[in-house]
Amino acid sequence: TQLLEQSPQFLSIQEGENLTVYCNSSSVFSSLQWYRQEPGEGPVLLVTVVTGGEVKKLKRLTFQFGDARKDSSLHITAAQPGDTGLYLCAGQGSSNTGKLIFGQGTTLQVKP
Amino acid sequence: GAVVSQHPSWVICKSGTSVKIECRSLDFQATTMFWYRQFPKQSLMLMATSNEGSKATYEQGVEKDKFLINHASLTLSTLTVTSAHPEDSSFYICSARTLAGNSNQPQHFGDGTRLSIL
Repeated sequence: TQLLEQSPQFLSIQEGENLTVYCNSSSVFSSLQWYRQEPGEGPVLLVTVVTGGEVKKLKRLTFQFGDARKDSSLHITAAQPGDTGLYLCAGQGSSNTGKLIFGQGTTLQVKP
Repeated sequence: GAVVSQHPSWVICKSGTSVKIECRSLDFQATTMFWYRQFPKQSLMLMATSNEGSKATYEQGVEKDKFLINHASLTLSTLTVTSAHPEDSSFYICSARTLAGNSNQPQHFGDGTRLSIL
């Protein structure tokens, strides 16, 4: 069974601080996706990483896929209150079912 | 692009009622749709995978007679919670995946349905 361990699960920081969220697994994923979810809404796709070692940037967000495609990180620079939300990583396994393996989620609160 | 519409967004009903939730892909064809359940401040739990024209595949522990899934077209899947009870109250989310071709196609999520059973 493929598992994704996401940490930390809760994070409360001040505006302007930097943070990193990690997703780790002992399994290899063909791709990994990061989502952000607001309360009462569905997750919104932020990025998909496919290649080992890949780095993608989305404004102040930097996503990295591990060389072995077993882990990923999300780094936010100079966090703002608008970044508050639930961040989810999800890995696509080796099967062709399209099923995603979700991490436990990171609830981020950025205080002004 | 890749918009998924889920309806209704919120439903409150009495115990014993059956509730149907619709999931539509508005601007693409989805051979596969997924149904998730989410508890407050927790991650998504996959309930079942729905493929157009075939029976849904349920995850372990999910009662297929309780949660009926129909995927009759490439743009519509429905989840019916039969004889709902208060413990079925939750946030239900669907997602849809575009036609295969690239196995790394992402899932696009609906906005969820808040189900409250009194």
